[in-house]
Amino acid sequence: QKEVEQDPGPLSVPEGAIVSLNCTYSNSAFQYFMWYRQYSRKGPELLMYTYSSGNKEDGRFTAQVDKSSKYISLFIRDSQPSDSATYLCAMTPYSSASKIIFGSGTRLSIRP
Amino acid sequence: NAGVTQTPKFQVLKTGQSMTLQCAQDMNHNSMYWYRQDPGMGLRLIYYSASEGTTDKGEVPNGYNVSRLNKREFSLRLESAAPSQTSVYFCASSRDRGGSTEAFFGQGTRLTVV
Repeated sequence: QKEVEQDPGPLSVPEGAIVSLNCTYSNSAFQYFMWYRQYSRKGPELLMYTYSSGNKEDGRFTAQVDKSSKYISLFIRDSQPSDSATYLCAMTPYSSASKIIFGSGTRLSIRP
Repeated sequence: NAGVTQTPKFQVLKTGQSMTLQCAQDMNHNSMYWYRQDPGMGLRLIYYSASEGTTDKGEVPNGYNVSRLNKREFSLRLESAAPSQTSVYFCASSRDRGGSTEAFFGQGTRLTVV
């Protein structure tokens, strides 16, 4: 079993829809949770970062962590065609980047 | 500000050939990483370097060697390329030593081994 599981998609939604992307994990030691966005033929870039359980909002994006269920989510409100990308969840038990475990990524397409 | 720069962007190798992937960062970061990305597998860590002069194995180090040439540069070498090493390779760096988990990635090198 992989430490981090992520539905690969692809996920296609109309512009303006609310998008929910999810990951589950098995290692209860994970404390730092991240979402990276990767456009086609580009490197991943950090989108959201949360520590421990709870919600974090940044504009149209909300990251949610439920450590009791070992489940994290990224919500995108008022989705735009420019949000079309692959979204990778990532997590680590440590306050350093050296042990980050990535999910396999979900391909998202927003239809105009 | 260039960030993380990888060369080359594309490469085709024959089985058994060797090559070195170059990576340089201009953010004065302490830690550098090499990942490979394959369909359905996400990003898997090959090697990382927590500081100049140190390197450690990641999840999939077999068939690779690395050199942390100085604080800016971290190279990945394939001594005898195999078709299983066909992948997209990403170099990344992070500040660390202060609790930062953010990794900054280069544009990637698309490697095909035939």
